Amino acid sequence: AQSVTQLDSQVPVFEEAPVELRCNYSSSVSVYLFWYVQYPNQGLQLLLKYLSGSTLVKGINGFEAEFNKSQTSFHLRKPSVHISDTAEYFCAVTPMNRDDKIIFGKGTRLHILP
Amino acid sequence: DTAVSQTPKYLVTQMGNDKSIKCEQNLGHDTMYWYKQDSKKFLKIMFSYNNKELIINETVPNRFSPKSPDKAHLNLHINSLELGDSAVYFCASNRGAQETQYFGPGTRLLVL
Repeated sequence: AQSVTQLDSQVPVFEEAPVELRCNYSSSVSVYLFWYVQYPNQGLQLLLKYLSGSTLVKGINGFEAEFNKSQTSFHLRKPSVHISDTAEYFCAVTPMNRDDKIIFGKGTRLHILP
Repeated sequence: DTAVSQTPKYLVTQMGNDKSIKCEQNLGHDTMYWYKQDSKKFLKIMFSYNNKELIINETVPNRFSPKSPDKAHLNLHINSLELGDSAVYFCASNRGAQETQYFGPGTRLLVL
């Protein structure tokens, strides 16, 4: 079985400051890792994903994440946030041996302070 | 040219009624999903369909029934609606495990 833990339910950060949203997972098999973003009153959209290869993954809107296998983490970072980054961020995993299963974390609400 | 569309966007109804939510994707994807998002933003997968076969049913009450007339559509029918069914329901689709899921805009259901 797999599980995803997003330790912070809310993260306040000042505009133009850096941010890190934490994600840890547990799984008995190898997984693919994803970060999705949900802007207010919208559906989710993909920020970035890790399938294989380089552990540093770059996504849209200046976000990046680093896969750390030993720590089973996939933290999301951005060096300078903008007010438009206000949203809910979801970490998710899919076991490599299943086409039909995805497990989402509970989400982290990013508040950008002016 | 919306990739994943849902109708209706808003649905307000009385307890005990039966309602349906429709979902269509024009991406040629093989797998479609239904999710329920509660007021705390927790996202729970309800169903997925792959080539017209149900392959996930995550302890969802049998009042909820997915119906897929073809690969591009996955509708959600709900019988005897309850107050606790109030939530946002999202449809999504993708090609497979490592592929991006594309989400619809959501259907906001309020049961009175």
